[in-house]
Amino acid sequence: DAGVTQSPTHLIKTRGQQVTLRCSPISGHKSVSWYQQVLGQGPQFIFQYYEKEERRRGNFPDRFSARQFPNYSSELNVNALLLGDSALYLCASSWRGVTDTQYFGPGTRLTVL
Amino acid sequence: QKEVEQDPGPLSVPEGAIVSLNCTYSNSAFQYFMWYRQYSRKGPELLMYTYSSGNKEDGRFTAQVDKSSKYISLFIRDSQPSDSATYLCAMETGANNLFFGTGTRLTVIP
Repeated sequence: DAGVTQSPTHLIKTRGQQVTLRCSPISGHKSVSWYQQVLGQGPQFIFQYYEKEERRRGNFPDRFSARQFPNYSSELNVNALLLGDSALYLCASSWRGVTDTQYFGPGTRLTVL
Repeated sequence: QKEVEQDPGPLSVPEGAIVSLNCTYSNSAFQYFMWYRQYSRKGPELLMYTYSSGNKEDGRFTAQVDKSSKYISLFIRDSQPSDSATYLCAMETGANNLFFGTGTRLTVIP
């Protein structure tokens, strides 16, 4: 079985630009969560989507948005990029998004210059 | 105060040693406790998943949860060079939004 996949692997953007990151969950999983991991820190929760609806949002500004598609894949969008947005963006999927195990993808490394 | 505290290390041990990794937390609502292993430039990989207090063993790994002390531990027996990675503790209330520690960087020296 394929695990969680994310694209692209790496991305370089400049301040003020916009970026879209993509995630495909494990087959059968209906919940996708996004995390930001700054170098040297643990991942921080950004969003959780379940059945195409936003279920929870972490403490991130409105520049961050996401959506989930009918096939349960997801996109994370970040507008007006700041230098501080440079991080590894991780996607995690789980079956139903409540009290079940989350499986992480390899991440997308975003560098903002 | 962070909700989850973890000593970032780094921690270096000789091959075959017993490794002890620890986290403390402040939110008494946390019910589910996990340990993830993360190799450099990779996503976290789930190692252990425990619910509430107690011990759980899986091969060379043992996870302990002491909810009364708000303290969790991961023990690695007979450590191997392939265990060299960053170990992240994580916990949640059941809402599936994980709270992670900073991660402890472990190096096992052959």
